[in-house]
Amino acid sequence: NAGVMQNPRHLVRRRGQEARLRCSPMKGHSHVYWYRQLPEEGLKFMVYLQKENIIDESGMPKERFSAEFPKEGPSILRIQQVVRGDSAAYFCASSPPGAPLFFGEGSRLTVL
Amino acid sequence: GESVGLHLPTLSVQEGDNSIINCAYSNSASDYFIWYKQESGKGPQFIIDIRSNMDKRQGQRVTVLLNKTVKHLSLQIAATQPGDSAVYFCAENGENTGNQFYFGTGTSLTVIP
Repeated sequence: NAGVMQNPRHLVRRRGQEARLRCSPMKGHSHVYWYRQLPEEGLKFMVYLQKENIIDESGMPKERFSAEFPKEGPSILRIQQVVRGDSAAYFCASSPPGAPLFFGEGSRLTVL
Repeated sequence: GESVGLHLPTLSVQEGDNSIINCAYSNSASDYFIWYKQESGKGPQFIIDIRSNMDKRQGQRVTVLLNKTVKHLSLQIAATQPGDSAVYFCAENGENTGNQFYFGTGTSLTVIP
């Protein structure tokens, strides 16, 4: 039973480019969560999605960031026109309702 | 937003000793708490959880204590081993209808052989 799969593990982008991070939840999990972690800091909630629905995006920056979880395929976190401040580790987690979150190994974005 | 804080950012213990990591939370409505362990370059790993109808829960070498009166959570690790060296986060579910958890900044545990 594979865990939460994230790719790419490492991504380098220049300022102004787009970054796309993908997450496949654990089998049977229909809830996906994205978190951002800056160096030496905790995880900050960004967005919570179920299939084809955004449930809570209160932690998502209003501009340049978007997330989706289509009926088929992985969840995608998209960052447009990246800036250096977007450099961070982005973690995806999945869970069934009311259960602990299980995290992937993260995608580390570096913006040059 | 939610506020989950930790009393100590770093903790060093001798191998074989017991470790205690503390956490304060701010939201009285939180009813579900989780401890995670994060090793360098990896994702957070679930250790143990506790719901607000309990004061104590034990796992293998770990115990979580919850004091709702003072909104305090602790993680006790028995017979700490070098493999326990990591950053430990507590997380609370806050006031939401989903599973959005709010994390503290973490405590870095170093086990001295």
